[in-house]
Amino acid sequence: DGGITQSPKYLFRKEGQNVTLSCEQNLNHDAMYWYRQDPGQGLRLIYYSQIVNDFQKGDIAEGYSVSREKKESFPLTVTSAQKNPTAFYLCASSPASGGANVLTFGAGSRLTVL
Amino acid sequence: AQSVTQLGSHVSVSEGALVLLRCNYSSSVPPYLFWYVQYPNQGLQLLLKYTTGATLVKGINGFEAEFKKSETSFHLTKPSAHMSDAAEYFCAVTFNQAGTALIFGKGTTLSVSS
Repeated sequence: DGGITQSPKYLFRKEGQNVTLSCEQNLNHDAMYWYRQDPGQGLRLIYYSQIVNDFQKGDIAEGYSVSREKKESFPLTVTSAQKNPTAFYLCASSPASGGANVLTFGAGSRLTVL
Repeated sequence: AQSVTQLGSHVSVSEGALVLLRCNYSSSVPPYLFWYVQYPNQGLQLLLKYTTGATLVKGINGFEAEFKKSETSFHLTKPSAHMSDAAEYFCAVTFNQAGTALIFGKGTTLSVSS
């Protein structure tokens, strides 16, 4: 079945460490996204990518980095520069970005900083 | 700039009662509007969307929403709540331009009591 796989589901990090969240899709979608979810804050866009080797910053990109070397993969690195990284992270994809394209979401990764 | 406001972070209804979740948007161009649902510790899934055409949109699980341009609203309704409807609901907006990403509201948690 086609879908989006995020790993790990739960991740614990010590302060000062970088961590990378994996996102893989087999839907043949061109666009991929990373959102951060905090209680009462909704989903806030971190980065998105419309095509391989290209990506754009979202509203809260500071302290995060991404790469898009393959169409099916869009990993997110949470760097030590992110001051409050504890959150639920959601990856999504769509056939293209914008317009009526529906996003398909992964099951999420919950990051906790110890 | 586009934005989405969901009135009421928490709505409680009895089983069998009407469900009404409110969403107002701000957009300088014709919007595309979406409702997504999220069950605990999962990703989001699409309930319904409005792009153009008929303003009353029907979605999955008996939900529907009506686009009212004059009121800049896209409220979600269901005539009779079921226990399985308990979840968090997100309204989102974008518009017909490639390269854009969805903007989400802060979400409304729906509780259903027996």
